[in-house]
Amino acid sequence: AQSVAQPEDQVNVAEGNPLTVKCTYSVSGNPYLFWYVQYPNRGLQFLLKYITGDNLVKGSYGFEAEFNKSQTSFHLKKPSALVSDSALYFCAVRDTGGGKLIFGQGTELSVKP
Amino acid sequence: GAVVSQHPSWVICKSGTSVKIECRSLDFQATTMFWYRQFPKQSLMLMATSNEGSKATYEQGVEKDKFLINHASLTLSTLTVTSAHPEDSSFYICSARGATEGTDTQYFGPGTRLTVL
Repeated sequence: AQSVAQPEDQVNVAEGNPLTVKCTYSVSGNPYLFWYVQYPNRGLQFLLKYITGDNLVKGSYGFEAEFNKSQTSFHLKKPSALVSDSALYFCAVRDTGGGKLIFGQGTELSVKP
Repeated sequence: GAVVSQHPSWVICKSGTSVKIECRSLDFQATTMFWYRQFPKQSLMLMATSNEGSKATYEQGVEKDKFLINHASLTLSTLTVTSAHPEDSSFYICSARGATEGTDTQYFGPGTRLTVL
């Protein structure tokens, strides 16, 4: 069965420091991987995706993610965190059957000044 | 580009009434739309997948007679919560996937907060 795991419920980072939000996946075949961000009482905003090609994917708002096939990971990163980055982050993999997204449980990122 | 809207953004209704939520893709044609439910501090739970012009496919455990989904056009899908009860109170989010370039990406609406009294 395909699945996504975000091992950290919460990540705390000081403003200006680099941040990493972890994601591991389990799929059969080549994965289609996504990161979304959710601000309170809002829908999800698309950040970036990996389909094929370069393992380092650059997305919106200065975020990037590194696809690592051997470790089955797709960690989200940003070199310098902003207070406004504080939000709930979801990693997702596209189901190879029907095309629906399978979400991780979410990681709450808190960036303090 | 790739904007999805939802209406209403919030709704309060009495128990036993029905509520309709609209999901629109504003600048692209959405061959597939998805409806999710989200509880506080939790991940999204997929309720159903709808393809334009055909019946929705519901996830296991979701009552299709209670959560009616219609995807009558390439830009509009509706979710009707029939005979709503307090346990149906939740945050409902739709997403849409297009028919052209970038079809692997789902774009999400801002969500609808439903409160059933």
